[in-house]
Amino acid sequence: QVQLVQSGAEVKKPGASVKVSCKASGYTFTSYGISWVRQAPGQGLEWMGWISAYNGNTNYAQKLQGRVTMTTDTSTSTAYMELRSLRSDDTAVYYCARGPLPSGTALDYWGQGTLVTVSS
Amino acid sequence: SSELTQDPAVSVALGQTVRITCQGDSLRSYYASWYQQKPGQAPVLVIYGKNNRPSGIPDRFSGSSSGNTASLTITGAQAEDEADYYCNSRDSSGNHAVVFGGGTKLTVL
Repeated sequence: QVQLVQSGAEVKKPGASVKVSCKASGYTFTSYGISWVRQAPGQGLEWMGWISAYNGNTNYAQKLQGRVTMTTDTSTSTAYMELRSLRSDDTAVYYCARGPLPSGTALDYWGQGTLVTVSS
Repeated sequence: SSELTQDPAVSVALGQTVRITCQGDSLRSYYASWYQQKPGQAPVLVIYGKNNRPSGIPDRFSGSSSGNTASLTITGAQAEDEADYYCNSRDSSGNHAVVFGGGTKLTVL
């Protein structure tokens, strides 16, 4: 069965960086992209960007351009999301999700989420 | 601000039918997908494409689309359907970015 398992919770100080991992299993990793979505406390879902696990192409949300980097390691079927220059409003649960396919919109499997707390 | 607009809250009596809507220009070009999220849990895909349900999603969930509006319908709402529901699509600028609606909190009375 398809599973996305994320790394554990992080506490960071303002200005620091965080790197969250997402290990995929149960499918051919390079056949799908991975999206990253975050959710601030009590707020809605915010798409952060997408990376192709096939060729590493990325598409980042405009508001995060320059602060976010998404990568993959096909040898371990793991995707990574690094966010730099952290601010208090980056405090959120960060999810990885499989998809979407090029012509679609669906994110069909999600990781369990990683809480990132930014606090001095 | 989201390019997809959802009503913040909707309620439905147990066993009745409820429609949750999502509006946005990009829905003229792309089908919306719909997600259910319960407190403390990751979102779950419930509808994608024209009207497709992933394995394990009850058939009381259905989707439709007309013009710039996509709808998620729950026919015979159950207590366990109480949750937040989000739509998503691509943005309307052509850069293939994904956008989410602001979410609708569904209360089953």
